[in-house]
Amino acid sequence: EDKVVQSPLSLVVHEGDTVTLNCSYEVTNFRSLLWYKQEKKAPTFLFMLTSSGIEKKSGRLSSILDKKELFSILNITATQTGDSAVYLCAVGTLGRLYFGRGTQLTVWP
Amino acid sequence: EAGVAQSPRYKIIEKRQSVAFWCNPISGHATLYWYQQILGQGPKLLIQFQNNGVVDDSQLPKDRFSAERLKGVDSTLKIQPAKLEDSAVYLCASRPLVARTEAFFGQGTRLTVV
Repeated sequence: EDKVVQSPLSLVVHEGDTVTLNCSYEVTNFRSLLWYKQEKKAPTFLFMLTSSGIEKKSGRLSSILDKKELFSILNITATQTGDSAVYLCAVGTLGRLYFGRGTQLTVWP
Repeated sequence: EAGVAQSPRYKIIEKRQSVAFWCNPISGHATLYWYQQILGQGPKLLIQFQNNGVVDDSQLPKDRFSAERLKGVDSTLKIQPAKLEDSAVYLCASRPLVARTEAFFGQGTRLTVV
């Protein structure tokens, strides 16, 4: 059975801290790994990773994929209260998208 | 570009009643997904359509859940009869047929079964 595992499940930090969120996967026919941010109900897209070792960056967020070790990390530097959300990792295989349970990030002022 | 539209936003029903959710994907997106997200968990794929054909419904509880996508555009998801454990947010997402693109999500429908 395909599996996507995220850790930690929850994380509480103070503004200005740097956080690293982890996603490991075991799927057949891997095509891509995606990160989403979910604040209320609709997940919003952050990154898609398809190649190992190539970092994707957007402002204070960055992500990288290791296809040999089957994991990805999402880094957030200089966290702000607006970063508080659930961060979801999803793996795409032949058109299907399988999600992990998410990491609940809480940033205190 | 208009996003994925879902309705209703909220629904409260009693157990054993039936309920239907509607989704209008982004124009031109061939792939449509229905996910169930129970509080504290990640979205769980219920069914995936490509155009109006079912690609994957292996996790759809077919004794009570049904879904259709008429003419390869709008989709409805129905639950009949509902159980307490069906309380969740039901998310619809769509994706173009181009390889390796992200899926776009609607705002979801929060269902409470009492």
